[in-house]
Amino acid sequence: AQSVTQPDIHITVSEGASLELRCNYSYGATPYLFWYVQSPGQGLQLLLKYFSGDTLVQGIKGFEAEFKRSQSSFNLRKPSVHWSDAAEYFCAANSGGYNKLIFGAGTRLAVHP
Amino acid sequence: EAGVAQSPRYKIIEKRQSVAFWCNPISGHATLYWYQQILGQGPKLLIQFQNNGVVDDSQLPKDRFSAERLKGVDSTLKIQPAKLEDSAVYLCASSPLGGGGVTDTQYFGPGTRLTVL
Repeated sequence: AQSVTQPDIHITVSEGASLELRCNYSYGATPYLFWYVQSPGQGLQLLLKYFSGDTLVQGIKGFEAEFKRSQSSFNLRKPSVHWSDAAEYFCAANSGGYNKLIFGAGTRLAVHP
Repeated sequence: EAGVAQSPRYKIIEKRQSVAFWCNPISGHATLYWYQQILGQGPKLLIQFQNNGVVDDSQLPKDRFSAERLKGVDSTLKIQPAKLEDSAVYLCASSPLGGGGVTDTQYFGPGTRLTVL
């Protein structure tokens, strides 16, 4: 079955430190991949997406993600975290067709001053 | 441009009662989605409309959940009767294209938090 796994439920980093959030997928073929962020009481906001081409994707708010086919991964990174980045992050994928997204369970990020 | 609007933002009901949620998508967006997000989980698609028609409702519990999209614009999601396990955030999203293409970004509303006692 198609699935998206985010191994880390909760991550805490210090402000200014680098960040990497992990995402693995299980699909028959390479899916289309997305990262969303959800702040408390807010809807999901798209950070970036990967369809094809360059495996390093730049997104909004200084985030980037790297697609690695050999590892079935699409990890999200940021070189220097700000306190305002504290939120929940969701990795999602679809295989085309009618754009049905399958989400991971999310990683909650806490940022220490 | 206005975003996806949802109401109410919060709802508390007792089990076996009924409840309805409303969604107004971004103007001109052809596709509308309803997701259920249970605490500690990612959103799960309940139903997807393309204009007036249903594209995917395979994960909608049809014995108690119903949804409609009138005139291809606003949509309502109803639960009748509610169960304890229906406690969740219900998210509405819309996307601009009608063909469901994979480049068709979904824009999410703030959600409705439902608590069933």
